[in-house]
Amino acid sequence: EAGVVQSPRYKIIEKKQPVAFWCNPISGHNTLYWYRQNLGQGPELLIRYENEEAVDDSQLPKDRFSAERLKGVDSTLKIQPAELGDSAVYLCASSLEGRRETQYFGPGTRLLVL
Amino acid sequence: DAKTTQPNSMESNEEEPVHLPCNHSTISGTDYIHWYRQLPSQGPEYVIHGLTSNVNNRMASLAIAEDRKSSTLILHRATLRDAAVYYCILRDVGDSNYQLIWGAGTKLIIKP
Repeated sequence: EAGVVQSPRYKIIEKKQPVAFWCNPISGHNTLYWYRQNLGQGPELLIRYENEEAVDDSQLPKDRFSAERLKGVDSTLKIQPAELGDSAVYLCASSLEGRRETQYFGPGTRLLVL
Repeated sequence: DAKTTQPNSMESNEEEPVHLPCNHSTISGTDYIHWYRQLPSQGPEYVIHGLTSNVNNRMASLAIAEDRKSSTLILHRATLRDAAVYYCILRDVGDSNYQLIWGAGTKLIIKP
């Protein structure tokens, strides 16, 4: 079974540029999470989807971040415009309904904003 | 939210058991204890979770103190591939968001 797929793996951009990250969760997992992980710290939840509905986006900086999961499968997280402080690893995870205590993570996208 | 305290780093020898401690003195009766690990340049990986009783799976064992104020993740025979950051996380069973609040974790170094 394929795991959570994320692309790109690495991205370098200049500040004020837009950037987008893509995630394809494990097949059949209706819950999808986006996390941000700063160097030396644990992941921080940005947004959680149940199917196509964003049910927890309280930690998402809505002035510059947006996310979508239009058909309840894959998802895109966008930053526009990027700031220096956005440099981090962006992780996507998914879980099964009824088994949300176990989250499966992708390898992440490492973003560097110059 | 109840917090966890873990050592910043630990060292262990290959093929020996490893005991990773976690303190959670403010744990509530409805908090599950989760452990995840993160290998270098990878996303976190679920290891184990429990509520009150000790738990075993193919990866590790979780020993929970009787008062639940601390727990220990046990790797029975560490290999070089177990070198990772190990996170101890509490999650309220009544939290419908199933949100995991992550700390900085313990960096486990395995010496050959």
